[in-house]
Amino acid sequence: DTEVTQTPKHLVMGMTNKKSLKCEQHMGHRAMYWYKQKAKKPPELMFVYSYEKLSINESVPSRFSPECPNSSLLNLHLHALQPEDSALYLCASSQDRLGGLAAGGRIEQYFGPGTRLTVT
Amino acid sequence: KNEVEQSPQNLTAQEGEFITINCSYSVGISALHWLQQHPGGGIVSLFMLSSGKKKHGRLIATINIQEKHSSLHITASHPRDSAVYICAVRLSNNNDMRFGAGTRLTVKP
Repeated sequence: DTEVTQTPKHLVMGMTNKKSLKCEQHMGHRAMYWYKQKAKKPPELMFVYSYEKLSINESVPSRFSPECPNSSLLNLHLHALQPEDSALYLCASSQDRLGGLAAGGRIEQYFGPGTRLTVT
Repeated sequence: KNEVEQSPQNLTAQEGEFITINCSYSVGISALHWLQQHPGGGIVSLFMLSSGKKKHGRLIATINIQEKHSSLHITASHPRDSAVYICAVRLSNNNDMRFGAGTRLTVKP
């Protein structure tokens, strides 16, 4: 199983709503990532979890709250979002966060299909 | 200047044409990825390269580490190849990715 799954596929929410995005992988990967992608732009890294601990928060507003309840699951809790937060939210996972040449350069990120979020 | 630059931004080709997309980077990397993103949004990893050349079907990817440059070639292009192709590099000091802006390819029948 080399799949990263994300739910829901589409989400429309108001600015006062609270919702959550979910990401799941069963490849035994210990690093998981949230990216945000605006239309016609490359993905931007938001958060990195390594061994279920938050290791990078790329100055993301607190209205986005990540959670990693176990090594297979990654959630992104959303509260009081703004219309400009509308985007495609991509989850990815990799075997480990640290790698590089010492690990033979074999670590690859696997991406989920994304959740298309619209904030009204 | 972006850490990862792709060219061209947009590319329109006729079915059957040979296509080349280029990627240059300015950071230390341990690997370079070519990714394909269809209009639905999900990203598919086509290749991961740390040296040399890889081939998969009609797709060929090359990388020159000294020149910090990679190319993705598509032979005998087909309308189903229409997608955004993204070059992404993995930083050599950790596993974090940096993405190019993408090349939007349209192959016309």
